[in-house]
Amino acid sequence: NAGVTQTPKFRILKIGQSMTLQCTQDMNHNYMYWYRQDPGMGLKLIYYSVGAGITDKGEVPNGYNVSRSTTEDFPLRLELAAPSQTSVYFCASSSPHRNEKLFFGSGTQLSVL
Amino acid sequence: AQSVTQLGSHVSVSEGALVLLRCNYSSSVPPYLFWYVQYPNQGLQLLLKYTTGATLVKGINGFEAEFKKSETSFHLTKPSAHMSDAAEYFCAVSGSYIPTFGRGTSLIVHP
Repeated sequence: NAGVTQTPKFRILKIGQSMTLQCTQDMNHNYMYWYRQDPGMGLKLIYYSVGAGITDKGEVPNGYNVSRSTTEDFPLRLELAAPSQTSVYFCASSSPHRNEKLFFGSGTQLSVL
Repeated sequence: AQSVTQLGSHVSVSEGALVLLRCNYSSSVPPYLFWYVQYPNQGLQLLLKYTTGATLVKGINGFEAEFKKSETSFHLTKPSAHMSDAAEYFCAVSGSYIPTFGRGTSLIVHP
């Protein structure tokens, strides 16, 4: 049982490049989330999904896109990378009960130079 | 609407001393409250959670937290700090289905 798996762990992008951060979970969770973590700022929600085919914006969605074609996968797409997108990105999943915890991946450290 | 405020971005204690990390929340519905811990270069993992019932919640590694509705607080404590407790701690509230996290408190433990 792997839980939540994120790839890659590290990436350096040049300004204007695009990339996809991969996230997959094997717990059959309906809810999945993408957060970014910046020093002293906590976790900011980028996008979330409550099931396959359903996604919605979080607090900081600009510059990102997501899709959810299967229950297991929730990739995050960065288009036209900017230095402001330098951050650590975490994917998480949970069951659809608000008293249940989130399971987090180990994160992707992204630098845009 | 829901929000979390963690007082103090850094807390420094000596090994063996009491740990107190503060969290205040706001929620328009009865909240569920969580504390997560993040060790360096890792994702977050659950320390403990309050759902309903007993207001004093015990978690892993000797941590506990008390839900005080009148004070809208959910402070995290541990009687005696250990070097291995050095980490980032996040309080989270789930009033809606999407949890909101605080900014985090970095716990520094001195020998």
